[in-house]
Amino acid sequence: GQQLNQSPQSMFIQEGEDVSMNCTSSSIFNTWLWYKQDPGEGPVLLIALYKAGELTSNGRLTAQFGITRKDSFLNISASIPSDVGIYFCAGQIRGAGSYQLTFGKGTKLSVIP
Amino acid sequence: DGGITQSPKYLFRKEGQNVTLSCEQNLNHDAMYWYRQDPGQGLRLIYYSQIVNDFQKGDIAEGYSVSREKKESFPLTVTSAQKNPTAFYLCASRDRDSPLHFGNGTRLTVT
Repeated sequence: GQQLNQSPQSMFIQEGEDVSMNCTSSSIFNTWLWYKQDPGEGPVLLIALYKAGELTSNGRLTAQFGITRKDSFLNISASIPSDVGIYFCAGQIRGAGSYQLTFGKGTKLSVIP
Repeated sequence: DGGITQSPKYLFRKEGQNVTLSCEQNLNHDAMYWYRQDPGQGLRLIYYSQIVNDFQKGDIAEGYSVSREKKESFPLTVTSAQKNPTAFYLCASRDRDSPLHFGNGTRLTVT
């Protein structure tokens, strides 16, 4: 099956620092999604990307859909304690009746006040 | 408010017992999914359903069963055949071409 490599696996950063994480794939996707999961809760959608090269922001978060369609990255600027959690990327092929997503294994973010 | 409701939040069972996890959505979504999450792992797909009365196995379907008798409901049964049932279970739903929406999960502990 398709594989998504998400890195880094975990990060410890000081409050106020910027964060960057990425996902790479051996296959092409036409949608990239970024989710955040708080402990004991379900993942919540942060950003959805639908076009190669697309750069989308949501507050302090910025995500990009790679030109090759095989990668995506997520940046968080000026981190705060509530950014703590696990961030997942997911790749999807839309259309053709496809309903499945492929998830990365997550990046666990810890913010030191 | 529209959303996905999973119940209960925590579930404890003895080994050898079947247990059913509930998932209800009022988003009018066609497709529903069940994922399993273990510490340090990503989300692994157990079963999914694109329409009522139809469902397909995901990557780790062995030891699990589902039904889809109503559009809004997609219960998951963890059978005694599942060798390592203790995990966090996530239900999700979506419309065609829309992102996945997740419930808040059920943590199952089997002893």
